[in-house]
Parts: sequence; structure tokens; C-alpha cells
Amino acid sequence: SQQGEEDPQALSIQEGENATMNCSYKTSINNLQWYRQNSGRGLVHLILIRSNEREKHSGRLRVTLDTSKKSSSLLITASRAADTASYFCATERGYGNKLVFGAGTILRVKS
Amino acid sequence: GAVVSQHPSRVICKSGTSVKIECRSLDFQATTMFWYRQFPKQSLMLMATSNEGSKATYEQGVEKDKFLINHASLTLSTLTVTSAHPEDSSFYICSARDRFVRSGSGYEQFFGPGTRLTVL
Repeated sequence: SQQGEEDPQALSIQEGENATMNCSYKTSINNLQWYRQNSGRGLVHLILIRSNEREKHSGRLRVTLDTSKKSSSLLITASRAADTASYFCATERGYGNKLVFGAGTILRVKS
Repeated sequence: GAVVSQHPSRVICKSGTSVKIECRSLDFQATTMFWYRQFPKQSLMLMATSNEGSKATYEQGVEKDKFLINHASLTLSTLTVTSAHPEDSSFYICSARDRFVRSGSGYEQFFGPGTRLTVL
């Protein structure tokens, strides 16, 4: 079964605005990863944050992790129409273990 | 970078037939590959973990006799959907873990582009 929830389920914003997506999980984790999926395509790895890290940046992406609340957020700044996609968080519980995916957020950036 | 391919990208078959989907790691060795299933507008659900040279480990609720997995080499895993029915229509995605590359605190997984299966 899925590890946790993501919210919002869908998000529609204007180009240039920031988009924030949240992910919650249920058990202790080794790391949390964010993926992007364009419609009908495979997954693209965006960023990995370890359980002992609190924040990580990659270009226009900023990920935070709060292990006390078992939650993470993905912030995309200055969004572009090309950012339109589904975004999934995935947790890895143990070293080398399987990934468990959240429900995903469908992001639509309007130009 | 690490590339994972899947073949075919799309397949349409008649009910009752079997369909084989291949997952290949093109430029790295993968001791472990994962098979996921994704229904429209839903998340990925792990079906099974495939280890090279050994039997696959199936997730709860996944029929091992219906979804046959073979991981015969370090670069190839196959998923065969046997006696397919319309309810098996879905998007099947594989991922592969590079046995030598570690990212962060774990091994990074690389995902294939997916296979769209439609059973008529």
C-alpha cells in the first residue's frame, strides 16, 4: 500500500508563481525522494533528501523534510509552463530497500 | 547517465493472450529491478522486486502466477502478463538499481519510460 499522502491532489497556478506540494508518510525513513512524471511517460528523479537533512536545493527546487512531523514539501519557484506534470514523493525505509510512492500532485502551470 | 529502456512502449492484445514486457539497463549493471503498475491519474504501485538469478519477491495482493518475472541477467528483467484480461490494462513501469552507484544514503533507482498495455 502507499506510504502516505500528498496534497494538494491538484494545483493550478500562473506562470511565474511558486508551487508548493506537500507529502506525508507514516513510518521512519532512510531518505525521501521527489519525482516528476509527464503525462504517460516515465519518472524523472528530481531530488533526494536524507533523513538527517532538513533542506535541500537544486536549481528552482527546494525540498524540506521534517522527520518529527513525517512530512516533506517541494517548492518550485518561478514556475514555467514546462513544469506542468505530476509530482510524486517516494520514501525509502531502509538502506537499499524499495521505494514507496505517495499519491502525487498534478501541477498545471498556465502561461 | 544511467538509462533504462522498456519494450514495447505500447501493446494492444486480445483477452486471454500473454504479453511480455522487457526492461533493460543499457549502460549499467542492475542486480535489482522493480516492477510498478500505474492506473490513470494514480500513483505507482510496486508489484514485485526482481533480483538477478533468484525468484522475484511479490507484493501482497499481486498474483505471481499471473505476473511472471524473470531476471536472467544483470541488464534484463522481463514481466509476462499471462492470460491477460481487460482489468490488466495499465501502465507498467520498471526501475533498475545500479549495483555500483550510491546516491545519498541509498542506491539510486533509474526508471524506464513505461509500457502501456491495453487488453481488448
